[in-house]
Amino acid sequence: KNEVEQSPQNLTAQEGEFITINCSYSVGISALHWLQQHPGGGIVSLFMLSSGKKKHGRLIATINIQEKHSSLHITASHPRDSAVYICAVMNYGGSQGNLIFGKGTKLSVKP
Amino acid sequence: KAGVTQTPRYLIKTRGQQVTLSCSPISGHRSVSWYQQTPGQGLQFLFEYFSETQRNKGNFPGRFSGRQFSNSRSEMNVSTLELGDSALYLCASRLGSSGRLGGPYEQYFGPGTRLTVT
Repeated sequence: KNEVEQSPQNLTAQEGEFITINCSYSVGISALHWLQQHPGGGIVSLFMLSSGKKKHGRLIATINIQEKHSSLHITASHPRDSAVYICAVMNYGGSQGNLIFGKGTKLSVKP
Repeated sequence: KAGVTQTPRYLIKTRGQQVTLSCSPISGHRSVSWYQQTPGQGLQFLFEYFSETQRNKGNFPGRFSGRQFSNSRSEMNVSTLELGDSALYLCASRLGSSGRLGGPYEQYFGPGTRLTVT
């Protein structure tokens, strides 16, 4: 079992829909990242969370440390949101500082 | 403030050759981490450097090595290239390294170097 699990693997939505991507992890963490990767490879860090909730524009990220679960929400989705979204946890303890990645969720938003 | 830069962006090498990739972190950032991304394995951690010292290493063979200079720029080297080394290599910089020094610190990724081994 992977230490970081994401669901769904693939997601197709219509423009304007509310989108949720989930991430569960099994290790102790000091922080969790949500990353966005567009075709071509570049990765952008959307959020880094240690607790609670963060909002940036149409994006909202939440984390529940007790349940070891995080969600990324996109409100009023747009075709430009089409990308792969990757959850990554910063391991707490023996290998602090390096990220453990989920397999990613490929989002396609249709106009 | 300029972002993380990586050079070269694209590279084609032949099996058995060696390659050196370069990463310049955001000004003031002292930690540089390297990651490999392949379609089969996804993103995997290679190593992290902080103040010219390797802090952590992932589960990769000794053919993969790196170093960090006094200006925080980092290089990674892969010797005796294999077909399976074809991948996108990403570096990420952050202000510090987690632990007693504080943190956690957010990582900022470069655009990557796409290496193709033929």
